Amino acid sequence: GDSVTQMEGPVTLSEEAFLTINCTYTATGYPSLFWYVQYPGEGLQLLLKATKADDKGSNKGFEATYRKETTSFHLEKGSVQVSDSAVYFCALRYNNDMRFGAGTRLTVKP
Amino acid sequence: NAGVTQTPKFQVLKTGQSMTLQCAQDMNHNSMYWYRQDPGMGLRLIYYSASEGTTDKGEVPNGYNVSRLNKREFSLRLESAAPSQTSVYFCASSAGQINEQFFGPGTRLTVL
Repeated sequence: GDSVTQMEGPVTLSEEAFLTINCTYTATGYPSLFWYVQYPGEGLQLLLKATKADDKGSNKGFEATYRKETTSFHLEKGSVQVSDSAVYFCALRYNNDMRFGAGTRLTVKP
Repeated sequence: NAGVTQTPKFQVLKTGQSMTLQCAQDMNHNSMYWYRQDPGMGLRLIYYSASEGTTDKGEVPNGYNVSRLNKREFSLRLESAAPSQTSVYFCASSAGQINEQFFGPGTRLTVL
C-alpha cells in the first residue's frame, strides 16, 4: 500500500543553520504530497503542499519539491529559527487515503 | 473562529469502560476524520466521513465506532476500551476530500 518514510530524528541545529528533512514515498498512483508541522500541545498545521510532479511548495521560508523520479519530497529551510522547533510530518494523499510519516522532531538552539 | 474543537483534552479509562470523543468544526466543511497518533508511527486514519450521512473505515478501525451527527459534529466511540487504545486522538476536517485538512488540538487518552 501507499506509505511515507521520513528521516528519523531528533534533529538538533543551531539558529541560522540549514535544514533538510528527507521524505520518500511509495504510491501506486500520483498522490498529492504535504508537510505538516506540530507545535507542542497542538494539532497538526499544514506547512506546504505540492499536487503534481516538479511542483514546489513553499511557506514561511520552507520549501519542498515533488520529485517523481526519486519519489521524494524533502523539506528544506535556509536559516532556521528557535521558533521552528516542532515535529514535522511528511504525508501523501491519494483519493481519500491520507498516509503520514512517523514525524521528525526538530530542536533549534540559540 | 474556533476551527476544529475536541473534548475532552485528557481522559483516563479502565479496561472495558466506554467513552465518546467529541469533535466539532465551524468551517462548514463537508469531510471529517479521526486519527490516532502513536510514538514513532505518525498519524493513522481510524474513520472518516466524506460528507454528512456517510462514514467509512480507515486504516485502523477495529475497536471504534463513529457517528456523523450533523455537518458540524463527528464523534468517535470506544465501546470497550483496551490498553492498546492508549493514544492521542486527533479530529480533522476539510472542505472536500482533496482539500487541506484542519486539525483539532487532540485528546490524550490513557487506558489502564
